[in-house]
Amino acid sequence: QVQLVQSGAEVKKPGASVKVSCKASGYTFTSYYIHWVRQAPGQGLEWLGIINPSGVSTSYAPRFQGRVTLTRDTSTSTVYMELSSLRSEDTAVFYCARADGSGAYYFDYWGQGTVVTVSS
Amino acid sequence: EIVMTQSPGTLSVSPGERATLSCRASQSVNSNLAWYQQKPGQAPRLLIYRASTRATGVPAGFSGSGSGTEFTLTISSLQSEDFAVYYCQHYNNWPPVFGQGTKVEIK
Repeated sequence: QVQLVQSGAEVKKPGASVKVSCKASGYTFTSYYIHWVRQAPGQGLEWLGIINPSGVSTSYAPRFQGRVTLTRDTSTSTVYMELSSLRSEDTAVFYCARADGSGAYYFDYWGQGTVVTVSS
Repeated sequence: EIVMTQSPGTLSVSPGERATLSCRASQSVNSNLAWYQQKPGQAPRLLIYRASTRATGVPAGFSGSGSGTEFTLTISSLQSEDFAVYYCQHYNNWPPVFGQGTKVEIK
């Protein structure tokens, strides 16, 4: 069965960077785009970006451009999300999500979420 | 960027009753709209895509309708497990955007 398993919770200081992993299994890793979505405490869902695991193409939401980097390792079927210059407002749950195979940007499978806390 | 607005913010419904949730886009998204359900402490779950197509395993009591700028998610008879927050999301163009959510609570 399709699974996306994310790395564990992180606590970071303001100004630091965080790198979250998302390991895919149960399907052909290179055939489906992976997206990242974040959710601040008590808030809604916010799209961060997308990576095509079969190549090197990425796209980021304008407000995160320059701070977020998505990469992938095809040998381990893992996607990574790195967010730099962290501030307290970045405290959130970060989700990876698989896009539907048609290429449309809706998400049929989600990781369990990774809590990132930014605090001095 | 398209703005997605959901209403109401909170919907109080008795078990067994019908719930109707609305989602409005600031410009046409054609039928490129999805609905998700999120329970506390869990990741969102895809319910509906292409405005009206139920995702795999979603009960028939969930239905979606609409196109263009106005969309509706209907839950025909609320069960205890249906009390949750529901989000709409357009994927008509870049970037994809979510609505702010509607919380369906027990009346």
